[in-house]
Amino acid sequence: AQRVTQPEKLLSVFKGAPVELKCNYSYSGSPELFWYVQYSRQRLQLLLRHISRESIKGFTADLNKGETSFHLKKPFAQEEDSAMYYCALSGNYGQNFVFGPGTRLSVLP
Amino acid sequence: EAGVTQFPSHSVIEKGQTVTLRCDPISGHDNLYWYRRVMGKEIKFLLHFVKESKQDESGMPNNRFLAERTGGTYSTLKVQPAELEDSGVYFCASRTSGGSNEQFFGPGTRLTVL
Repeated sequence: AQRVTQPEKLLSVFKGAPVELKCNYSYSGSPELFWYVQYSRQRLQLLLRHISRESIKGFTADLNKGETSFHLKKPFAQEEDSAMYYCALSGNYGQNFVFGPGTRLSVLP
Repeated sequence: EAGVTQFPSHSVIEKGQTVTLRCDPISGHDNLYWYRRVMGKEIKFLLHFVKESKQDESGMPNNRFLAERTGGTYSTLKVQPAELEDSGVYFCASRTSGGSNEQFFGPGTRLTVL
C-alpha cells in the first residue's frame, strides 16, 4: 500500500536554528517524492522534488531508498519559513499524489 | 500565466442540498485532479481526468459525488445530496502531460455542510 508518514504534527524552532521535517514512505516501486508548502492564506505550492536535487529557499531533501525517507532540512530557519509542509509521493506514470498528514513549522523570533 | 482557479472559495449549505464546485486548470494542462481534506484528516485523492476522460476515480467516496470535465477544459464536482461528513476543503490541481509530475494547485473551496 502507498503511504506517507510525517511523525510531527507541529514543530517549533527558534530563528537561526536548524530544522528537519521528517517524511517516510511506503511504495512498491520507485516513486517520485515531493515537498509542498502552504503559507498562511496561500495555496499549496511545490517546494522541492527529489529528481531535481536542488535547494529552494535554503531547503534540501535527499531521498534515502534504504530507509524510505525524504526528510526536509534547512540549516538556519527563518521566520518566513513558518508554514504547513506536506510530503507527497507520486507513482511513475503521473499518478495522483499520496500526501502525508503535514507538519506545521513554527519559527519563533 | 494564470494559475489554477476554483469557484466558489467558500460554500455553506444544509444537509441534503446540492453543491457544485468548479475548477479551471492552467491552460493547456490535460491532467486535472481533485483532492479533498476533511477536518483533521489528510489530503486525499478523489479522481483524475486526462482531457475529458476519467483516468482514475478510485478515490471518489460514494455515488453522491459526480465529476465532469466536458470538453476537457474546466471541471465540476457535484455533491448531491450533501452530508455532514462532506465538509472540508476541496482542492483541484492540474499538470501537463509528459515531463514533470509536478501538480499545480488551486486555492481550494471550503465546503461547510450544516
